[in-house]
Amino acid sequence: AQSVTQLDSQVPVFEEAPVELRCNYSSSVSVYLFWYVQYPNQGLQLLLKYLSGSTLVKGINGFEAEFNKSQTSFHLRKPSVHISDTAEYFCAVRNDYKLSFGAGTTVTVRA
Amino acid sequence: NAGVTQTPKFRVLKTGQSMTLLCAQDMNHEYMYWYRQDPGMGLRLIHYSVGEGTTAKGEVPDGYNVSRLKKQNFLLGLESAAPSQTSVYFCASSYPTGGLSPLHFGNGTRLTVT
Repeated sequence: AQSVTQLDSQVPVFEEAPVELRCNYSSSVSVYLFWYVQYPNQGLQLLLKYLSGSTLVKGINGFEAEFNKSQTSFHLRKPSVHISDTAEYFCAVRNDYKLSFGAGTTVTVRA
Repeated sequence: NAGVTQTPKFRVLKTGQSMTLLCAQDMNHEYMYWYRQDPGMGLRLIHYSVGEGTTAKGEVPDGYNVSRLKKQNFLLGLESAAPSQTSVYFCASSYPTGGLSPLHFGNGTRLTVT
C-alpha cells in the first residue's frame, strides 16, 4: 500500500512570507497525489492534484506543488501567505481506489 | 446545494452506549466514505461504499458498522462505544473515479466517549 509522510507537523509563518509544506510518498510505478486544506471547524477541500503531465501543479488560492519523482516528493508552496491561509494541510495519495492521508501540517500565519 | 451534511454535529456518549451518525449528500455521488480524524494521525478510513447496497472495510473498521440503503445516505454505527472512539468523524462523497475526483467532505461530527 502506498503512503505519504508529511515532514512538518507545525509551520508558523509571517504574513506575506513564503511557505513550503513538505510531503514525501512511498515509491510506485504510478502515483496520484493530492493536497487538501482544512479550515477551522470545517471539512477538507481539495487544493490541487497531480495525476500526470506537468510536474508543476497549480491549485486554488495561489498554491502550487511540484511532483518530483526522483526524490519521491510533492511539496506544496505559496509565495506570499495571508492570515486566511491559517489552516491544516493534508497530503494524500491514491491507494487502491481510496485516498490515504498524511498526518497533516498546521500552518499558522501571524501578522 | 447543501453538499454533504452530517448529523449530529456534537455528541457525548457513555462507554457502552450506541449511536448512529448520519451522512447525506445531494450530489448524486456513487462513492461515500467515513473517516476519523485524530491529532497527529491525519484522517483514517473507517468504511466506504462504492454504491447503494455495498460497503467495504477501510483501515480502522473495528467497532463500527455501516449501511448504505439509499444512494444519498451513508450511516455509521457504533454498537458499544469506547473511549478510544473519541474523535472527529468526517463523511465524504465523490464520483466513481477511484479517488481521482475530489472528495467532498461534511463539516464533521465531534464525538466524545466518557
